[in-house]
Amino acid sequence: EAGVTQSPTHLIKTRGQQVTLRCSPISGHTSVYWYQQALGLGLQFLLWYDEGEERNRGNFPPRFSGRQFPNYSSELNVNALELEDSALYLCASSLALFGGINEQFFGPGTRLTVL
Amino acid sequence: GENVEQHPSTLSVQEGDSAVIKCTYSDSASNYFPWYKQELGKGPQLIIDIRSNVGEKKDQRIAVTLNKTAKHFSLHITETQPEDSAVYFCAASIPSGTYKYIFGTGTRLKVLA
Repeated sequence: EAGVTQSPTHLIKTRGQQVTLRCSPISGHTSVYWYQQALGLGLQFLLWYDEGEERNRGNFPPRFSGRQFPNYSSELNVNALELEDSALYLCASSLALFGGINEQFFGPGTRLTVL
Repeated sequence: GENVEQHPSTLSVQEGDSAVIKCTYSDSASNYFPWYKQELGKGPQLIIDIRSNVGEKKDQRIAVTLNKTAKHFSLHITETQPEDSAVYFCAASIPSGTYKYIFGTGTRLKVLA
């Protein structure tokens, strides 16, 4: 069974540009989560999508946005890129929630470098 | 606020020795505690997890313990091997409508051959 896939693997952009990252969840998973992992730091929660709806977002500015498509794949968009947006962006997916438990499985990430 | 503290930040052990990583969470509503291993250039991989109604769980050389009263949970790796070298993250899941994970800051484990 294929795991979570993300594209592209690496990306280099300049300040002020816009970027779109893509994620395909494990087959059968309806929830997609996005995390930011800056160099040397832990994972910071960005966004959660389930059944096409944004369910929750972390403490990030509005220029971080995304969407989930009917096939449950997802995009993360970042506008007006800043140097501090350089990070590994991780996508995770999970099945529908059962009793509040949601085992999240991560993709390999997209490494974004902003120059 | 929601917080997970993880210690130590780095850990070096001799091959064959045991390694212990500890985490403390702040939200008593947390009910699920996964541990992830992240190798260089890869995404985090779930290695073991524990639910709040269980005190201990073991899977071969890896075990996790949970003390709900103290809000502590720990990862134990026995008979460490060089391939155990990686960054390990603990996390706590908060079911209060957000279902997001709060991650610890990570422990870089180095197993010396």
